[in-house]
Amino acid sequence: DSGVTQTPKHLITATGQRVTLRCSPRSGDLSVYWYQQSLDQGLQFLIQYYNGEERAKGNILERFSAQQFPDLHSELNLSSLELGDSALYFCASSAMGLQETQYFGPGTRLLVL
Amino acid sequence: DQQVKQNSPSLSVQEGRISILNCDYTNSMFDYFLWYKKYPAEGPTFLISISSIKDKNEDGRFTVFLNKSAKHLSLHIVPSQPGDSAVYFCAGQKTSYDKVIFGPGTSLSVIP
Repeated sequence: DSGVTQTPKHLITATGQRVTLRCSPRSGDLSVYWYQQSLDQGLQFLIQYYNGEERAKGNILERFSAQQFPDLHSELNLSSLELGDSALYFCASSAMGLQETQYFGPGTRLLVL
Repeated sequence: DQQVKQNSPSLSVQEGRISILNCDYTNSMFDYFLWYKKYPAEGPTFLISISSIKDKNEDGRFTVFLNKSAKHLSLHIVPSQPGDSAVYFCAGQKTSYDKVIFGPGTSLSVIP
C-alpha cells in the first residue's frame, strides 16, 4: 500500500460527459502528479501540483483540468469526454518535487462508451 | 515522438535464471533514469534508478546498466523469482527536477 488513494476505482460514462477523479496523497506529501495510461502506451505525464500551485504541465488536453485543494487532495476533471479518453488514470505523490521518488495510487479505470 | 522505448512488450524467464529488460531512449538530454514495477490492479512502484554519471547501479537482485553512447539501458534481475512477474517501466528525466517520461512497459513472466 503506497498510501496514495484514488476514487473511484472504476468509472463508466458516455461520450460528451464530464467526470471528476479524486486523489489523496500520502500523509505529508506536498506534490501530486497525474498520469494517463492508455492501451499499449506508457504513463503519460499530465500535470503536477505542489502545495496547491501548478508546478509542471505535460500533454494535458484543454478539456482536462486539475486542482489541488488546501488539504492537499487533488481532483482531475475530464470534460467533453471522447472514446479515446478511456484509460487508466494514476495519481502519484512525493514529499516535495520531481526530484523525489513518486508513490503511485492504484489508479482509476475510465471507460467512455 | 516516443522518447523512451521498450521494444519487447513481453518476456518469459525460468525461475532462478537472469531476466534482462531493455530500454532505449532518444532524448540525449536525459540525465537520470528510473525503473518502476507494476503489478495488476496496483499503481507502479519505484524499483531502482541511475544517474548518467554512472554506468551501473545495483540494489540486491536488481542491477541497472547504462550505455550513454548507445542511449541504452537494461535492468538485470538475478535470480528471477515468480514474484518478479510484473510490468516494468523504464523512464527518463532531463534532470532530477524534470518531469518523468515513461516507456510503454515490458511484461515479465517468471515461470516456476
